[in-house]
Amino acid sequence: GQQLNQSPQSMFIQEGEDVSMNCTSSSIFNTWLWYKQDPGEGPVLLIALYKAGELTSNGRLTAQFGITRKDSFLNISASIPSDVGIYFCAGRNRDDKIIFGKGTRLHILP
Amino acid sequence: DAGITQSPRHKVTETGTPVTLRCHQTENHRYMYWYRQDPGHGLRLIHYSYGVKDTDKGEVSDGYSVSRSKTEDFLLTLESATSSQTSVYFCAIGLGTDTQYFGPGTRLTVL
Repeated sequence: GQQLNQSPQSMFIQEGEDVSMNCTSSSIFNTWLWYKQDPGEGPVLLIALYKAGELTSNGRLTAQFGITRKDSFLNISASIPSDVGIYFCAGRNRDDKIIFGKGTRLHILP
Repeated sequence: DAGITQSPRHKVTETGTPVTLRCHQTENHRYMYWYRQDPGHGLRLIHYSYGVKDTDKGEVSDGYSVSRSKTEDFLLTLESATSSQTSVYFCAIGLGTDTQYFGPGTRLTVL
């Protein structure tokens, strides 16, 4: 079936650094979603992207819907300790199914 | 947060017993989903519903059934629980098909 390749699988960064992660696929998606999951909780929707080329911000988070419709990027600026968690990308395909990536685990070093 | 609750939040059961997990929403969203989350596999869709009494299978539906008799409730049943069904189960809802909002999860352990 369709897959989303999310990278990196995990990241170790210093507080204050910027973070970049991405999701790619061989297939086209019509919507891209980015979620964050804290331990013991459900994923929370951060940003939704609906149009190729769209760039959307939510505070220190910025995400882009790739021009080819096959990828998306999430950037976090000036990371803080509460940014720790797992970030998931998800895409809605032509069959209206939402496919999830396997997540990027973000660790912040003191 | 969207108005989604899951019950129970934790359950321990024995192999071979039936188990029912409940998802309740107060948002009147048409679509409801059940996922399981396991290390190394991410979120995998079990079943979903696109309206009352309208359900369909996801990628890992074997051993699970669902029912939706009211807009607000979506039940997931493990007909005869197995150890491989030990997992964290998440319910999600969506007004349309383009976004999903997740509940807090149910941690199920099958001994």
